[in-house]
Amino acid sequence: AQSVSQHNHHVILSEAASLELGCNYSYGGTVNLFWYVQYPGQHLQLLLKYFSGDPLVKGIKGFEAEFIKSKFSFNLRKPSVQWSDTAEYFCAVKATGGFKTIFGAGTRLFVKA
Amino acid sequence: ETGVTQSPTHLIKTRGQQVTLRCSSQSGHNTVSWYQQALGQGPQFIFQYYREEENGRGNFPPRFSGLQFPNYSSELNVNALELDDSALYLCATELAGEETQYFGPGTRLLVL
Repeated sequence: AQSVSQHNHHVILSEAASLELGCNYSYGGTVNLFWYVQYPGQHLQLLLKYFSGDPLVKGIKGFEAEFIKSKFSFNLRKPSVQWSDTAEYFCAVKATGGFKTIFGAGTRLFVKA
Repeated sequence: ETGVTQSPTHLIKTRGQQVTLRCSSQSGHNTVSWYQQALGQGPQFIFQYYREEENGRGNFPPRFSGLQFPNYSSELNVNALELDDSALYLCATELAGEETQYFGPGTRLLVL
């Protein structure tokens, strides 16, 4: 069965610090990978996605993620966070061509101004 | 804004009752998935509908059922409510061929 593990439940950073949120998944086949963000009081929205090709994908608001197939990982990064990045971040995986998206438990990021 | 709306925004039910939650999306979004998000957890996949047929289901009992309508709206029905059904229920729609989900704001259900 597929599963997604996010390494940190809570992260606190100061503005301008670098961010890396860990995500590992378990599934033996080809996958589509996603990072979603939920800002306070807002909908879940897509930050970035990986389907195929260049394993380094860039998303909105300066976020990027790298797919490392050998490590079953899809870590999210941002070189310099802002106070407005305070939100909850979810990693998700779906088998290519499948119907079911599996989400991690989420990482709550708080950025201090 | 994703163009996906859900109603009601929140409601309170008692154990044993039945509830219907609704989701509306934009034209062309012919796939809809429903998720349950308990406090402190990520969304859990309930089921998916494609062109008004159930396309796949997660580990939820049959008392969770759904419908999808030709006008791109859908319903989630839950019978015989239990206390553990208290959660945020999200719907997510996909534009044909895009494989990217657009989430609604959710309905927060409290079962007493």
